[in-house]
Amino acid sequence: GAGVSQTPSNKVTEKGKYVELRCDPISGHTALYWYRQSLGQGPEFLIYFQGTGAADDSGLPNDRFFAVRPEGSVSTLKIQRTERGDSAVYLCASSQIENNSPLHFGNGTRLTVT
Amino acid sequence: AQTVTQSQPEMSVQEAETVTLSCTYDTSESDYYLFWYKQPPSRQMILVIRQEAYKQQNATENRFSVNFQKAAKSFSLKISDSQLGDAAMYFCAYCSYDKVIFGPGTSLSVIP
Repeated sequence: GAGVSQTPSNKVTEKGKYVELRCDPISGHTALYWYRQSLGQGPEFLIYFQGTGAADDSGLPNDRFFAVRPEGSVSTLKIQRTERGDSAVYLCASSQIENNSPLHFGNGTRLTVT
Repeated sequence: AQTVTQSQPEMSVQEAETVTLSCTYDTSESDYYLFWYKQPPSRQMILVIRQEAYKQQNATENRFSVNFQKAAKSFSLKISDSQLGDAAMYFCAYCSYDKVIFGPGTSLSVIP
């Protein structure tokens, strides 16, 4: 597809379970970003990748959160031992490497932890 | 650390009128970029306009323009001839060294 694809679009899980959220960026985009957005708030930075490596993971809230991008394309955000406070929309975005390139966002994954 | 502030949680405008959304940011960098994004209820974030900090000229995209005041670290968005389709959340964003951070957003309502 032409845009950023995120799957699943919605995920409901029980407290304590493990979840994986997938992001398929625009082909050729070297930078990939993960954000978390709670209701009525702005996107909160989690991590971004340049190629395969995490260039900045300072936004990951704790060690239950982890993200990978093994081949420099698709990325997976992994959350262990989910808590109700993890409930939010998780947004993925990709961009070209230049600093002024805009982010192209997916539609997000709405995660609900019951 | 860089921060982005949007002091207006909600704004409303009459259709066909003009509205200005405020944004301020804090940074010690001299080279950076600023963006406004729109997020309608569909959740898809859409780029509205961008501004390079080294450019003095304010960016313009059709009905959307910015007032960039680098010394004041201010970056407001003006929407002219407002349309019903402009109703959405608007986020100001700051980018330096490829890290992009967002403000808390302004919810814009357009009154027919």
